[in-house]
Amino acid sequence: DIQMTQSPSSVSASVGDRVTITCRASQDIRTWLVWYQQKPGKAPKVLIYAASSLQSGVPPRFSGSGSGTDFTLTLSSLQPDDFATYFCQQAYSLPLTFGGGTKVEIK
Amino acid sequence: QLHLQESGPGLVRPSETLSLTCAVSGGSINSGPHYWGWLRQSPEKGLEWIATHYHIGEPNYNPSLRSRVIISLDPSKNQFSLRLTSVTVADTSIYYCARMSTTGWTKYTFDIWGQGAMVTVSA
Repeated sequence: DIQMTQSPSSVSASVGDRVTITCRASQDIRTWLVWYQQKPGKAPKVLIYAASSLQSGVPPRFSGSGSGTDFTLTLSSLQPDDFATYFCQQAYSLPLTFGGGTKVEIK
Repeated sequence: QLHLQESGPGLVRPSETLSLTCAVSGGSINSGPHYWGWLRQSPEKGLEWIATHYHIGEPNYNPSLRSRVIISLDPSKNQFSLRLTSVTVADTSIYYCARMSTTGWTKYTFDIWGQGAMVTVSA
């Protein structure tokens, strides 16, 4: 199985801050990487697929980059609605696997 | 607008079988090109893919659960189901049904989710 490791596990930030979350795969997954946002009591929601493609309806302050084993999700200017937990998922091969999550909290 | 809704018992006894159903509205599970699947989430294990099934062909299972899981589609009711046998407390989780894209760069992306169903395994 491909292991997905996210860092940090949590980050405290203020509205307007730039936040970067990292996801590392245990093997080369090219650009087969998906990012989700999850709010308490809700299901995950797709933000980015193929490492850098923005899902329809997602604000452009979210961006993704990377290929191979190292990937980044960037929130360019944190908004109140962005305080949530973010997960990465490799879409390269079965079994599909997820990172452990990064909780973005209000400083 | 596609909508998925899980249903089933919230409490299952150890060694028994967990059964959940996902009702799909606003679209047909028989029309392709999407897969239909189950995932679960717990504080201990995080997000875990369980199984996915296309309207034709064989389902795919997570090898870690394969011996205990069956996913099935019921096109006549536009729903799909999960059965997990011989449950233990480790199977206590929120269970989600979801639609998975199969095409192009969105391959293996879960783009529509149900709200989730909490299932507790306890005597």
